[in-house]
Amino acid sequence: KAGVTQTPRYLIKTRGQQVTLSCSPISGHRSVSWYQQTPGQGLQFLFEYFSETQRNKGNFPGRFSGRQFSNSRSEMNVSTLELGDSALYLCASSLIPVGGYTFGSGTRLTVV
Amino acid sequence: DQQVKQNSPSLSVQEGRISILNCDYTNSMFDYFLWYKKYPAEGPTFLISISSIKDKNEDGRFTVFLNKSAKHLSLHIVPSQPGDSAVYFCAASEVVGVDRDDKIIFGKGTRLHILP
Repeated sequence: KAGVTQTPRYLIKTRGQQVTLSCSPISGHRSVSWYQQTPGQGLQFLFEYFSETQRNKGNFPGRFSGRQFSNSRSEMNVSTLELGDSALYLCASSLIPVGGYTFGSGTRLTVV
Repeated sequence: DQQVKQNSPSLSVQEGRISILNCDYTNSMFDYFLWYKKYPAEGPTFLISISSIKDKNEDGRFTVFLNKSAKHLSLHIVPSQPGDSAVYFCAASEVVGVDRDDKIIFGKGTRLHILP
C-alpha cells in the first residue's frame, strides 16, 4: 500500500509570506501528526489530528495551524514566515495514536 | 526543558561490533518508549518499542533495554552493519487521564556511523 505522501518536497519562501504543506496519510489511517525537524532542536511535535479534530498541540506560536479533511488528508499552514521556520516538516500517520507511526519523507522549507 | 535526552550527537562503531545508543528521560509518567531510524532525505521509520512493564525487548539484531529507576533506555545493535548508519531518535509517550497522549516526545537524535 502507498506510504505517507507529503507535497511539495521542497519549498523556498521569503520572510512574511505564508505557506501550506500537504500530507496524505496511509489509506485507512485516521491519525495524522506533524513534526518540525531542525538541526538544533531535533524532532518537535506540532499538532495531531484525528477524525478532523485537533487532539493535541505542541508549543509553537499561533502562526502554525493545521486542519484535517474528511478523507484524513491534512494540511499545515504557516503564516508570516520567519527565517527560523526553515526546517524539514514531517507528517506521520497511524491507525491508532502512538505505536508505529509511519512518516512521510517530509517537506523541506527554506525561508530567505 | 528537554524531557527526552540523547546526549551523544554522534557515534562511530566498527562493522560487526555492537552499537549502543543511549537515551535518558525526565518525565516519570512516560510509559511507552520507541526508537526510530532516519536516513537522509527520508522520514523516520519505526524500529522497536518497549512498554514500561518490560525491561527488555528484542527484535532480530535490535534490543532495547529499559531501566525505569534510572530513567534510562538503550538500543543495542548486534552485529552492526553498514546499512545501520543513520540518525536514531529515541521517543517517549505517556497516558494522560484515561487516554494515551498522542504527543510523542523525541530526543534530538544520535548519528551512528558504521565504519568498514
